[in-house]
Amino acid sequence: EVQLVESGGALVQPGRSLRLSCAASGFTFDDYAMHWVRQVPGKGLEWVSGISWNSGSIGYADSVKGRFTISRDNAKNSVYLEMNSLRAEDTALYYCAKCWTGSYLNNFDYWGQGTLVTVSS
Amino acid sequence: SYELTQPPSVSVSPGQTASITCSGDKLGDKYSCWYQQKPGQSPVLVIYRDSKRPSGIPERFSASNSGNTATLTISGTQAMDEADYYCQAWDSTTVVFGGGTKLTVL
Repeated sequence: EVQLVESGGALVQPGRSLRLSCAASGFTFDDYAMHWVRQVPGKGLEWVSGISWNSGSIGYADSVKGRFTISRDNAKNSVYLEMNSLRAEDTALYYCAKCWTGSYLNNFDYWGQGTLVTVSS
Repeated sequence: SYELTQPPSVSVSPGQTASITCSGDKLGDKYSCWYQQKPGQSPVLVIYRDSKRPSGIPERFSASNSGNTATLTISGTQAMDEADYYCQAWDSTTVVFGGGTKLTVL
């Protein structure tokens, strides 16, 4: 059974940093791209970032480019999102999602339950 | 940046057919997919590669993609289909979601 478990969400002040983690199990992790998608409660889905199976291709939404960094550790079956210079508008539930293929430009077939990030003073 | 546009809401009577559209420039030249999200739950993939259903998704879910519009169709809509639906596509470097459509079954 595929499982994606996010962690690291917290209440953080504007301008500070936070690191999210996603632990994956139930599939061959290093065969698949991974993503972070966020959702403000009551609003729509927003793609944040994706990383290919070997970290060779990475993409970011314009809204986070230059502030967020995605990475993965295939030995630990984990993907991370380093978030710097956080803003109030980064407040959201952050989902980890497994991609259909090794390339991150594809659809997602499994999602975690999300971890909540709140940016407020 | 690439954009996908969905109607905010669609209503349908039980047993009838619901259609939800997703519009984007030359969307038919890309692969599209659809997710269903019920309140308090994570999204679930219901259609991939324009029209394919993952295992476990009922046959009443179908979709097409041509020109500038992808369409999700739910035939014989049931109360359990009431949810938010999101289309998704990707361009050369980014993944894009539509704004979502709230399907009400009444």
